[in-house]
Amino acid sequence: DTAVSQTPKYLVTQMGNDKSIKCEQNLGHDTMYWYKQDSKKFLKIMFSYNNKELIINETVPNRFSPKSPDKAHLNLHINSLELGDSAVYFCASSQQAGGPWTQYFGPGTRLLVL
Amino acid sequence: GDSVTQMEGPVTLSEEACLTINCTYTATGYPSLFWYVQYPGEGLQLLLKATKADDKGSNKGFEATYRKETTSFHLEKGSVQVSDSAVYFCALSAGGTSYGKLTFGQGTILTVHP
Repeated sequence: DTAVSQTPKYLVTQMGNDKSIKCEQNLGHDTMYWYKQDSKKFLKIMFSYNNKELIINETVPNRFSPKSPDKAHLNLHINSLELGDSAVYFCASSQQAGGPWTQYFGPGTRLLVL
Repeated sequence: GDSVTQMEGPVTLSEEACLTINCTYTATGYPSLFWYVQYPGEGLQLLLKATKADDKGSNKGFEATYRKETTSFHLEKGSVQVSDSAVYFCALSAGGTSYGKLTFGQGTILTVHP
């Protein structure tokens, strides 16, 4: 059983398009995250939700909008895609929001903007 | 702000060699420390963690000790295998208003040859 799943796994699109990435976790966790991994493998937090409430909103262009319909799902919508948005986007979840809780990662969504 | 510095890679070793990947951190308070591993084309998996000073995390022959006095969390393994080839990330999670977000080092690519 997949603990944290993401769809789609690959996404190739043109500049200017709007796209969404979906994430679901079946671990019963309260907290979910979005991270971006750039071409040099560097990972950076984008957003986090705890029980459907936004708790982390890093410096991310407002073309990126997360939505959490329930605590098992966290989606990421990107408007007006730019070349620089090409990256791997990882969803993660943890039991609670806080230091010692382990985060479990999804397999990633590889986004390529042409 | 919080930060993590890992030794520069890539690291190339022969099978059965000893491995050390250095990791130092800067954080306010008492963060939890993690090592994550990313195999080619996959998401991140927790390798080990330590949540307080002098704790030792261990898993699959890997070990790391939380050293508060040197703000370090170096990853070690006595005898690497070809299957250990992956990217290794050191990360910290501070408490308080960071809400458990992970701050990652830049990653170290490890290649093990037969």
